[in-house]
Amino acid sequence: DQQVKQNSPSLSVQEGRISILNCDYTNSMFDYFLWYKKYPAEGPTFLISISSIKDKNEDGRFTVFLNKSAKHLSLHIVPSQPGDSAVYFCAASWGSGANNLFFGTGTRLTVIP
Amino acid sequence: EAQVTQNPRYLITVTGKKLTVTCSQNMNHEYMSWYRQDPGLGLRQIYYSMNVEVTDKGDVPEGYKVSRKEKRNFPLILESPSPNQTSLYFCASSPQGPRGGYTFGSGTRLTVV
Repeated sequence: DQQVKQNSPSLSVQEGRISILNCDYTNSMFDYFLWYKKYPAEGPTFLISISSIKDKNEDGRFTVFLNKSAKHLSLHIVPSQPGDSAVYFCAASWGSGANNLFFGTGTRLTVIP
Repeated sequence: EAQVTQNPRYLITVTGKKLTVTCSQNMNHEYMSWYRQDPGLGLRQIYYSMNVEVTDKGDVPEGYKVSRKEKRNFPLILESPSPNQTSLYFCASSPQGPRGGYTFGSGTRLTVV
């Protein structure tokens, strides 16, 4: 059963606007979350992460928000650029000695020039 | 350039014919892992290695073997491939576990007929 879910397979946004990618999880033990970006014919690239002791983490145009009570996280990209067009995966783990990440199925973001 | 190199990028093989997918990293990372990506299922961990000669099963290890004789290399072995192992495979490495953010290889698209 999928413990990390990305219910929107795709998202289209105009260049310059905000992109919001959503992720839900079912396992309340998860305490660390990551976002990866993947271009075609390449491996995923690490983007940003957040620990469950925080509710927000920012890195340039990328901000991740965590709502633990709702078991929900989101990635905001502001402003969106055509180069941001890619598939975005969220991933989760639990325990400081974690040896695995549980990935969502991905959301394909298209930024329209 | 810091990278994870997988070979081959594409492979078509027949059921039962042993094959090896190689993975090498040049970042002196201790932690390495193999994932497979299937439609609707995201990335799932096959095996991981915390250091030389230390390997363990992930979520979907059946039908796979790995070895870690040197720090830089982590080959994935399919002793008797079957059609349900047709998938996109990614090797990844990290300085100290998946929470540190993986560096992924570019992937190996395997088809077993």
